[in-house]
Amino acid sequence: GAVVSQHPSWVICKSGTSVKIECRSLDFQATTMFWYRQFPKQSLMLMATSNEGSKATYEQGVEKDKFLINHASLTLSTLTVTSAHPEDSSFYICSAPGASGSTDTQYFGPGTRLTVL
Amino acid sequence: GQNIDQPTEMTATEGAIVQINCTYQTSGFNGLFWYQQHAGEAPTFLSYNVLDGLEEKGRFSSFLSRSKGYSYLLLKELQMKDSASYLCAPSGGYNKLIFGAGTRLAVHP
Repeated sequence: GAVVSQHPSWVICKSGTSVKIECRSLDFQATTMFWYRQFPKQSLMLMATSNEGSKATYEQGVEKDKFLINHASLTLSTLTVTSAHPEDSSFYICSAPGASGSTDTQYFGPGTRLTVL
Repeated sequence: GQNIDQPTEMTATEGAIVQINCTYQTSGFNGLFWYQQHAGEAPTFLSYNVLDGLEEKGRFSSFLSRSKGYSYLLLKELQMKDSASYLCAPSGGYNKLIFGAGTRLAVHP
């Protein structure tokens, strides 16, 4: 089956630094990818929709300048948390629809745990 | 707007049956996903319902009523490894999933 990878799987950084998280579709092309954030014991919150070749679409309340998304190719989307602070510590997960136009398949990456000191 | 409602926590006994309900109100609806998530891991796909009715897949079944905005996940012959969070996720336009808060299921011996 289709696989989505994320890198790094975990990262610890100092407050004020920026962190980049990569999401790759390994054996299929994804014109759209989704970024989620999950705090402990809470559900996944959709942050933004990453669109290949165009700007990302952010959900209400998510700061565009804080969470930079770049969909550089049909297999790669990156999320950069700029000037990270302890409250940004969370589990970040990406997903991609399995086939163009398909609504019945979503493949999730394994997630990236970010800890900001 | 979007509103997804499911119980926060449930407990059940090994070998028993449990039903996790989900009601939803969304703008745009293609179908409804159920995912299982163990702590610290990504969600894993359980089911996807587009049409009304019950779909059975081994120990897990999922039901959908589009007119009522209602779904449930039925888990039979519960095992300890079924202890996890279960996420209800209606799918709207553009393949976008909006997740409910999730139901934490604890299975006891």
